[in-house]
Amino acid sequence: QKEVEQDPGPLSVPEGAIVSLNCTYSNSAFQYFMWYRQYSRKGPELLMYTYSSGNKEDGRFTAQVDKSSKYISLFIRDSQPSDSATYLCATVSGYSTLTFGKGTMLLVSP
Amino acid sequence: EAGVVQSPRYKIIEKKQPVAFWCNPISGHNTLYWYLQNLGQGPELLIRYENEEAVDDSQLPKDRFSAERLKGVDSTLKIQPAELGDSAVYLCASSFSFENTGELFFGEGSRLTVL
Repeated sequence: QKEVEQDPGPLSVPEGAIVSLNCTYSNSAFQYFMWYRQYSRKGPELLMYTYSSGNKEDGRFTAQVDKSSKYISLFIRDSQPSDSATYLCATVSGYSTLTFGKGTMLLVSP
Repeated sequence: EAGVVQSPRYKIIEKKQPVAFWCNPISGHNTLYWYLQNLGQGPELLIRYENEEAVDDSQLPKDRFSAERLKGVDSTLKIQPAELGDSAVYLCASSFSFENTGELFFGEGSRLTVL
């Protein structure tokens, strides 16, 4: 079992839809939880990060962590074609290596 | 502020040939990472530097891969000889501190094709 599991998609939605992206992880020591966005032929860029459990909101994006079930979610409200990208969840604990999921490809059609 | 700069962006070589990738991190970032990203996969760490010291190279295939970070700034990743399975994107990233909160800044990557 990989430490971070993520459905690769692709996930296709119409513009304006609410998008839910999810990951599960296995190591209970993970403390920081990140979502990176990667456009085609570009490097990943940090979108959001949270520490421990709870929600964090930034504009149309909400990151949610449930440590009891080891579940990480990213919600995108009012999705736009410019949100079309691959979304990578990632976790880390202190000085350990950042561990990425496979990424979920999101396609938002106009 | 300039981001992480990598070169070349694209490289096509024949198997058994050598190849080198260069990375210039964000100014002031002490920690530098080289990641490998295969198609449809997330990035996987090859090596992590804290200043000039390689503090995690456990996933670097040392029989053919080598890396250096002279003077704690720029870094070079070399493959010699390249194999077909090395075709991938090689990503460089940097961060300000070693305490890994996961806030990494990535370059655009160097895409390698081995024929």
